[in-house]
Parts: sequence; structure tokens; C-alpha cells
Amino acid sequence: QQQVKQSPQSLIVQKGGISIINCAYENTAFDYFPWYQQFPGKGPALLIAIRPDVSEKKEGRFTISFNKSAKQFSLHIMDSQPGDSATYFCAASIGSSNTGKLIFGQGTTLQVKP
Amino acid sequence: NAGVTQTPKFQVLKTGQSMTLQCAQDMNHNSMYWYRQDPGMGLRLIYYSASEGTTDKGEVPNGYNVSRLNKREFSLRLESAAPSQTSVYFCASSDRLANYGYTFGSGTRLTVV
Repeated sequence: QQQVKQSPQSLIVQKGGISIINCAYENTAFDYFPWYQQFPGKGPALLIAIRPDVSEKKEGRFTISFNKSAKQFSLHIMDSQPGDSATYFCAASIGSSNTGKLIFGQGTTLQVKP
Repeated sequence: NAGVTQTPKFQVLKTGQSMTLQCAQDMNHNSMYWYRQDPGMGLRLIYYSASEGTTDKGEVPNGYNVSRLNKREFSLRLESAAPSQTSVYFCASSDRLANYGYTFGSGTRLTVV
């Protein structure tokens, strides 16, 4: 059972454009939503995260938008650069849980063309 | 450098062989996790250890066993490898709660022929 659904599977964007990756979740108990970035041959690394008490969080060129009623959240990469080419994973967890388990989406491979 | 160390980085097994994937972290994290990554499937949790002395099944535990040897080390064992276990395996650790962020190792690429 896939509790976090991510789209699109792959994305090609021109340098300077906006990259948008979407995720939807089912479990209303989720209260922590991070995004991870993975370069080829490396493990994923935490990029940015949000809690449902805010609708948007921005860190540099990366922004998470959160819609609690729709159970959706998205990652926006402004002024996309070739160095942003990577695989991006959304994830969700129950922050108050003592297990710390993260449920990941299927991943999006982003290619930024120069 | 501080972080999560996984060994080996690459491995080829024959069907039915066994092996243990090793993972160690030096950040004094309480929780450790094993995930597998397959194309189009994202990262799926195999087993996790919320704290030293405890282990629990994740989403896809069949065919695997784990051992939390001490606070630093968390190993994943394949008793009788199958081609369906061909994957990239990642170990991760966190400071008890996921919202402190996971630190991932660099992965083990396993091929079962």
C-alpha cells in the first residue's frame, strides 16, 4: 500500500525555469513532510521539510507548498540549475511517533538542461 | 568524516547464497533503518531499530533479518538470496525522531543472479 504518491516520475526543465514535484498522502496522522535529494551513486540527503501548521516554507530557491485539506504538498525549485539535476523524494511520517519511520514517495528524476 | 558507513559497496550473489550487509554510524543516533531502492518504487523500509535493543519489521521484511549489534551498528542479513532481492540497499540513522532528519549511507548495490 503506497501511502505517499509522487508525480511526475521524471521531469526535464530548462535552466532558469521552475521545477515542480507533487506528492499526495493518505494518512491524516502524518505531521512531518520532508524532501530528500539524491545524486547518482550517493545516498539521499535532507533538502527541506515542513509541518502542517504552515502552508509554505522557503529555503533559498527551494519552496514547499502544503495543502492540508487536499492532503497534498509540493516542491518548487526556482531558477533551476544543472546542478539541481538529481532524484527527489518526498516523504511523510508521524512526528510524535517514537519509531521515526519515514514513508517515501516513488521519486522524481529531474534533469535541468543548460 | 562523521556519518553512516555501509559495506560492501557492491556485491554479486548467486541464488541461494547468504550475506550480511554492514552499517555503522558515529553520530550517537538512537534509531537506524534499512531501506531498499528500486526503480519506480522509491525507498521502501525493510527493518528498523528505534533504539538499541529493539528491531521491528517495515514494509518489505520477507527474506531479511536484522541485528542491532550495539548503538553504532545495524546489520541486514539475506539468508537465501533471490533475484527479487536485486536492489540498492541504504542504511540510515536519525536522532530518535524522523523530524531530526535521516543521515543515509552511500548504499550497497546488490545483484542476485
